Amino acid sequence: GNSVTQMEGPVTLSEEAFLTINCTYTATGYPSLFWYVQYPGEGLQLLLKATKADDKGSNKGFEATYRKETTSFHLEKGSVQVSDSAVYFCALSEGGSYGKLTFGQGTILTVHP
Amino acid sequence: NAGVTQTPKFQVLKTGQSMTLQCAQDMNHNSMYWYRQDPGMGLRLIYYSASEGTTDKGEVPNGYNVSRLNKREFSLRLESAAPSQTSVYFCASSVVPTSGVYEQYFGPGTRLTVT
Repeated sequence: GNSVTQMEGPVTLSEEAFLTINCTYTATGYPSLFWYVQYPGEGLQLLLKATKADDKGSNKGFEATYRKETTSFHLEKGSVQVSDSAVYFCALSEGGSYGKLTFGQGTILTVHP
Repeated sequence: NAGVTQTPKFQVLKTGQSMTLQCAQDMNHNSMYWYRQDPGMGLRLIYYSASEGTTDKGEVPNGYNVSRLNKREFSLRLESAAPSQTSVYFCASSVVPTSGVYEQYFGPGTRLTVT
């Protein structure tokens, strides 16, 4: 079956530091890959996505590149802000599955001033 | 647009009690989903409805039932609550965009505690 593995957290950074959150996946087919963000007390929001190999998803300064050869989709941001403090989820969806998502366990990010 | 709404926001049940979690979306989406979120485990799919009139099991359906009442509403029922069902429950909906990739929109969640 499908699975998503994220680096263990929590991750604590100072403002303006560089962020990487690792994500690797296992899939039987050729999935689409997503990063979702959950701010405290809220539901999940789509942060970015990529649908084929070497695609780069980007949004709000965050980027992730679909690497089929390493089955990875690592999230990066060059300079984090306090407002980026949230839980980040990597997820995949296979074609023909009506959009069902398989999630990683989530990584808590805390950014200090 | 309100997006995806869920009621209630919080609920405490005793073991064996029943309840229904309500979800509605006003985006005219075809597909709807119920997930549970547990610490360290991410979100896991309970049930989904690809379109009005259809429902299917997800990864963790045991102990739950669902009803797709119409295109807008998708409810989740716990017939006899158990402490293992203590969790945060999220409803989501999606439409297939022109790219062919489903994008899900999530509600704010229902925090359920079963004692």
